[in-house]
Amino acid sequence: EAQVTQNPRYLITVTGKKLTVTCSQNMNHEYMSWYRQDPGLGLRQIYYSMNVEATDKGDVPEGYKVSRKEKRNFPLILESPSPNQTSLYFCASSLTRFRGMPGGEQYFGPGTRLTVT
Amino acid sequence: AQKVTQAQTEISVVEKEDVTLDCVYETRDTTYYLFWYKQPPSGELVFLIRRNSFDEQNEISGRYSWNFQKSTSSFNFTITASQVVDSAVYFCALRGNRDDKIIFGKGTRLHILP
Repeated sequence: EAQVTQNPRYLITVTGKKLTVTCSQNMNHEYMSWYRQDPGLGLRQIYYSMNVEATDKGDVPEGYKVSRKEKRNFPLILESPSPNQTSLYFCASSLTRFRGMPGGEQYFGPGTRLTVT
Repeated sequence: AQKVTQAQTEISVVEKEDVTLDCVYETRDTTYYLFWYKQPPSGELVFLIRRNSFDEQNEISGRYSWNFQKSTSSFNFTITASQVVDSAVYFCALRGNRDDKIIFGKGTRLHILP
């Protein structure tokens, strides 16, 4: 079954304790992305990756890191989480731009609800 | 800069009524895709439709229809004969061909009242 998986689904942590949220897709997509969803703010892109070893900042990258060492995996790293990073996080994947056409629709993981106290 | 505006924050209608969700976008790209996603109360994000900027034909899928008008930069979504299961947050999104960012609107929360 084609899917995007995220782990963990729920996480409660304390300020400053490094954490990683994993994301994996089995659709051989080049493009992967992380979003955070906050009430009233919709979905905001944190980081995206066009392919292995190619990442770039989205609209809200501060306080986050990513890496793309393998095509299927795109972990999100919070090296020193703070309470303002309490949010619902989504990973997504899709095809990338090709021959002047935008990439296609994204497929989303189930979400990770993070609480930082 | 690219932008997607969903001016309706929240809408409530009674079951069986028709409802239209508005989406207005801004982009300088000549080639782009527009999308609608649904987020039901369970929280997952479900892809509904993709529209190419070159294709202004309206699309109908069962009770769902989409009206794309480049002249007004709008991509509106209509649910006909709404049902309680349509209650969800709906997001409109834009993806251009010149960079790799994807822009979402803030979403419209739709309540279908029995």
